[in-house]
Amino acid sequence: GENVEQHPSTLSVQEGDSAVIKCTYSDSASNYFPWYKQELGKGPQLIIDIRSNVGEKKDQRIAVTLNKTAKHFSLHITETQPEDSAVYFCAARGSSNYKLTFGKGTLLTVNP
Amino acid sequence: DAGVIQSPRHEVTEMGQEVTLRCKPISGHDYLFWYRQTMMRGLELLIYFNNNVPIDDSGMPEDRFSAKMPNASFSTLKIQPSEPRDSAVYFCASRRTGDSNQPQHFGDGTRLSIL
Repeated sequence: GENVEQHPSTLSVQEGDSAVIKCTYSDSASNYFPWYKQELGKGPQLIIDIRSNVGEKKDQRIAVTLNKTAKHFSLHITETQPEDSAVYFCAARGSSNYKLTFGKGTLLTVNP
Repeated sequence: DAGVIQSPRHEVTEMGQEVTLRCKPISGHDYLFWYRQTMMRGLELLIYFNNNVPIDDSGMPEDRFSAKMPNASFSTLKIQPSEPRDSAVYFCASRRTGDSNQPQHFGDGTRLSIL
């Protein structure tokens, strides 16, 4: 089955700096890669996703890049703000149509 | 629109007791997923349903776990008997068919503590 590795497990940045979280996946047939943000006491919320036919996608301060050859994808957050502090999860949908496999998560702390 | 609704939000019970977690998916969504989240193992898919039918239950840890979806607006996850190692946050998520890249929408989870 699909295996997703996520790094780093924790990330601390100063407000205004950029943050980058990286994930790798194992199933070359995977074609959908969402990113979720989880705040304390809440469920994961989708923040951005990318399909396999696209190399990059941007939505305001967040962007995701995908390298299918290397089987890795990354989340980039620019001009970080304290409210960006949360746990971020990457996921990949493998050869089965509806099953997502999640990375272990990255705890992002943005220091004011 | 109302999101995915889970109840209870917190459950504390004694080892050996039966536990029932409940989920109401978003109206119109025909896929429903149950996940378990722990520090050690992260988010694990336990089971998912399509049109109320269980499709893949390979993530259910053992026979003590069972899940049902009697209709399109309700699902339960039951643990009987419960054990301390079942302590975790359990999430329900739903999505609709159509474009196969439709996102999953999560509820806010049930935090389960087995003493």
